[in-house]
Amino acid sequence: DAGVTQSPTHLIKTRGQQVTLRCSPISGHKSVSWYQQVLGQGPQFIFQYYEKEERGRGNFPDRFSARQFPNYSSELNVNALLLGDSALYLCASSRRQTNSNQPQHFGDGTRLSIL
Amino acid sequence: KQEVTQIPAALSVPEGENLVLNCSFTDSAIYNLQWFRQDPGKGLTSLLLIQSSQREQTSGRLNASLDKSSGRSTLYIAASQPGDSATYLCAVVPSNTGKLIFGQGTTLQVKP
Repeated sequence: DAGVTQSPTHLIKTRGQQVTLRCSPISGHKSVSWYQQVLGQGPQFIFQYYEKEERGRGNFPDRFSARQFPNYSSELNVNALLLGDSALYLCASSRRQTNSNQPQHFGDGTRLSIL
Repeated sequence: KQEVTQIPAALSVPEGENLVLNCSFTDSAIYNLQWFRQDPGKGLTSLLLIQSSQREQTSGRLNASLDKSSGRSTLYIAASQPGDSATYLCAVVPSNTGKLIFGQGTTLQVKP
């Protein structure tokens, strides 16, 4: 079975632009979470979606938004990009919500660079 | 506010050595604790998940322990190999949320 797939793998944008990142979970997984990992730090939680509903939001500005589609894939949108948004964006999927003792499976991420 | 700390930030050992990575967390109200491995430029690979009611989990040469009362977990790697070189991340799921809270990781280098 295919793992969590994310696209694109790399992206270069300039300040003020908007970006959309995509994630396809493992088949049968209904929960998708998004994390931001700045170089040298651990990932920071952005959003969790389960059964197409937002189930958790981290401490990120309203410029960050996400949604989950009927096929359980997900998109993360970031508006008005800032230099500080440069990071590796990770998507994780699991069969259920993360408080169900189901392991999280991560994709290889999208490397976003802001110039 | 839950905080997760990993010490040391970096570790270099000769091949064959047994080693321990440390993780501490400030709030014992957790649902589970997970250890991940991250290779450079890659995503995270789940290694072990310890439920709050468990004391340890084992997978091959890896053994993870959990002491909720003291807010500590350790990852023991037996007979280390150069292929074990990576960053190891510890994360907890707080009882009242569905998110993972990560430490900053320990970067391990195993020299041949």
